[in-house]
Amino acid sequence: GQQLNQSPQSMFIQEGEDVSMNCTSSSIFNTWLWYKQDPGEGPVLLIALYKAGELTSNGRLTAQFGITRKDSFLNISASIPSDVGIYFCAGQAYSGAGSYQLTFGKGTKLSVIP
Amino acid sequence: KAGVTQTPRYLIKTRGQQVTLSCSPISGHRSVSWYQQTPGQGLQFLFEYFSETQRNKGNFPGRFSGRQFSNSRSEMNVSTLELGDSALYLCASSPVDISGKLFFGSGTQLSVL
Repeated sequence: GQQLNQSPQSMFIQEGEDVSMNCTSSSIFNTWLWYKQDPGEGPVLLIALYKAGELTSNGRLTAQFGITRKDSFLNISASIPSDVGIYFCAGQAYSGAGSYQLTFGKGTKLSVIP
Repeated sequence: KAGVTQTPRYLIKTRGQQVTLSCSPISGHRSVSWYQQTPGQGLQFLFEYFSETQRNKGNFPGRFSGRQFSNSRSEMNVSTLELGDSALYLCASSPVDISGKLFFGSGTQLSVL
């Protein structure tokens, strides 16, 4: 099946620093999404990308859909303590019967040191 | 709009028992997906339902099953529980489009003893 390689697995950064994480795949996806999960909660959608090369921002977050459609990155600028959590990338591909399936990376656990 | 609601929030079962988890999607969302989340494996896709029909299924044994009702509410059932079934089970609903946007509930934390 399709697999996403997400890196790094974990990060410890100082408050105010910028953060970068990425996902790569051997398969092509038509959509890339980034989610954040807080402890004890379900993932929440941060950014969705629909076109190869697309660069999209959401506040301090910026994500890009790779030109090859096999990768994506997420940047967080000027990190703050509430950025702590697990960030997941997800790629969407058509899976038949009118259904589109998401494949998730294993997540990047972000810790912010005040 | 109310979000995705999952019940119960926590469950403790013993090996061999069965369990049923419930999910109420966001109003108007007709697609419901289920995921299993474990620390080692991340988010693993279980199945997706749309208009009471299973449209897609992940690579899980037949002990894992689900269904969707006419009001889009969904249940998943795990029979003959094993220790390895301990996980956070997440339900997600999505609108009828190809945006890929899933809206997750807070999950049901299942512990199998």
